[in-house]
Amino acid sequence: GESVGLHLPTLSVQEGDNSIINCAYSNSASDYFIWYKQESGKGPQFIIDIRSNMDKRQGQRVTVLLNKTVKHLSLQIAATQPGDSAVYFCAENIRGSNYKLTFGKGTLLTVNP
Amino acid sequence: DTGVSQNPRHKITKRGQNVTFRCDPISEHNRLYWYRQTLGQGPEFLTYFQNEAQLEKSRLLSDRFSAERPKGSFSTLEIQRTEQGDSAMYLCASSTAGTRRETQYFGPGTRLLVL
Repeated sequence: GESVGLHLPTLSVQEGDNSIINCAYSNSASDYFIWYKQESGKGPQFIIDIRSNMDKRQGQRVTVLLNKTVKHLSLQIAATQPGDSAVYFCAENIRGSNYKLTFGKGTLLTVNP
Repeated sequence: DTGVSQNPRHKITKRGQNVTFRCDPISEHNRLYWYRQTLGQGPEFLTYFQNEAQLEKSRLLSDRFSAERPKGSFSTLEIQRTEQGDSAMYLCASSTAGTRRETQYFGPGTRLLVL
């Protein structure tokens, strides 16, 4: 089965609200995580990453939280905008795996104006 | 544009034909990855190069698939005797050998449709 998965396949929010996208992983050897945004017909776009020695990392309007105890990762998007509508994937790197990434199925975020 | 580029963006072929895709990574990146993505799924790892050396291949990469990176710069992915099940988006990603080595940047992908 997949090592990385998502709790919700779809998320619908109102413009201006905060969005939270969740991700669970099962491999305790995972030491690096990335969130990607993928718009229809395009390749995944890097949003933010976090190493396993950190609990939180902030970017512009985005925050990633890592809870290693329960193997859970979340992406928070502040003041969500229509341009944020896309599929969001979390991906993990398993230590010693040549840095190849294992992806979950993704969450479709829809922002309503 | 200094990002990862892929050509062609779209390819329609008939079953049994051979196809070849090209990936040009970010210029200073020595690591190059190929992934395959089917509708509604996340990308799945196919193969990985460090410079010109192909260091790992997934079980997904059957003997009909071959990838090369002859000079450690661009890479090609060839699929021989295509099958309908090969229809997917083929993504290329690259990363550097430095402190950000785990961060992979993706190209726009090549969407393959096998009729």
